Amino acid sequence: EAQVTQNPRYLITVTGKKLTVTCSQNMNHEYMSWYRQDPGLGLRQIYYSMNVEVTDKGDVPEGYKVSRKEKRNFPLILESPSPNQTSLYFCASRELAGDTDTQYFGPGTRLTVL
Amino acid sequence: GQQLNQSPQSMFIQEGEDVSMNCTSSSIFNTWLWYKQDPGEGPVLLIALYKAGELTSNGRLTAQFGITRKDSFLNISASIPSDVGIYFCAGQLEGRGSTLGRLYFGRGTQLTVWP
Repeated sequence: EAQVTQNPRYLITVTGKKLTVTCSQNMNHEYMSWYRQDPGLGLRQIYYSMNVEVTDKGDVPEGYKVSRKEKRNFPLILESPSPNQTSLYFCASRELAGDTDTQYFGPGTRLTVL
Repeated sequence: GQQLNQSPQSMFIQEGEDVSMNCTSSSIFNTWLWYKQDPGEGPVLLIALYKAGELTSNGRLTAQFGITRKDSFLNISASIPSDVGIYFCAGQLEGRGSTLGRLYFGRGTQLTVWP
């Protein structure tokens, strides 16, 4: 089954304690992204990656890091989380092939930073 | 960053009614995607549009890629309770260097369907 998985699904942490949210896709897609979703603001892109070792900033990259060492995984790293990073995070994997452009989202990670 | 203006922000309708929502931008897009998000879930792709003027259906859903390439519309006919959720439009700008591949999202339309 084609899917995007994220872990953990829920996380409560404290300010300054480094954390990593993992993301994995089994569709062999080159393009992956991270978004955060906040009430009234919709989905905002944090970082995206067009291929292994290729990453670029989205609209709200401050306070986040990513890495893309292999095609299937795209972890999101918060080196020193702050309360304003409390949000719902989605990883996405995208197929760009010829006339096809479809993006699949993971189930989400709800992060609370105290 | 690029803004997509999605409207309406919310809709309250009765079961059986038709629904219409749209997204507009000041820039030209070469792809429009429409998603639905159920509570506690990630967005799920409903319809993808790739050409100006394209009209695509998925069951009771119909979406159109605007002729100007700056807008898109989603219609839901004969709504049912399970249509409840947040609907998002997303678009990709005409590829230009570092923006190639980026998707921009509208802020969503919250749909409530009364039985």
